[in-house]
Amino acid sequence: GESVGLHLPTLSVQEGDNSIINCAYSNSASDYFIWYKQESGKGPQFIIDIRSNMDKRQGQRVTVLLNKTVKHLSLQIAATQPGDSAVYFCAESSNGGYQKVTFGTGTKLQVIP
Amino acid sequence: DARVTQTPRHKVTEMGQEVTMRCQPILGHNTVFWYRQTMMQGLELLAYFRNRAPLDDSGMPKDRFSAEMPDATLATLKIQPSEPRDSAVYFCASGSDRVIPGVPQHFGDGTRLSIL
Repeated sequence: GESVGLHLPTLSVQEGDNSIINCAYSNSASDYFIWYKQESGKGPQFIIDIRSNMDKRQGQRVTVLLNKTVKHLSLQIAATQPGDSAVYFCAESSNGGYQKVTFGTGTKLQVIP
Repeated sequence: DARVTQTPRHKVTEMGQEVTMRCQPILGHNTVFWYRQTMMQGLELLAYFRNRAPLDDSGMPKDRFSAEMPDATLATLKIQPSEPRDSAVYFCASGSDRVIPGVPQHFGDGTRLSIL
């Protein structure tokens, strides 16, 4: 029979537009957060991280926002390109460092040319 | 660019056979992680090493899975005997918490395992 897998939320964005991918976490003790990008057939690739003493961090075309009050994390991608199409995972750690992290289920980003 | 190297990239074998997956972490990294990714469960942590010592293997079925780090340049994950439900993509990741700020986990491209 047909197997049922995780239903990944999908975000479809027009090329050139900005993308916003959201993530909620539940552990109040989490103090370190990471965003990963996973392309088909590859391992997750580190994009950007943020510690809990910050609420915003910017990279090249990407910005991560952290709202500890509502336990919410977002990844903003500016001027989305076809190469940005992938599954994006947020991950959190409560170890104060770069040790064991817990991954979310992921969001699939589809860029429409 | 330094990369985590995993071998083999693909493995197809019959149930009951032993499977060994290998990982070469990035030179200088002191933490190594093994994950399993399936459509049903997503990305699950199986085992975690720090300075070659196992710190957490609570996610690993102990009766058939074993993870070791014979030296700092090699991590292995073994399944014996393998079962069809072990079919998945197995990822290794390495990082470092010896420096400040630490180095987040960097992943290899995985071993795609199919047990018939």
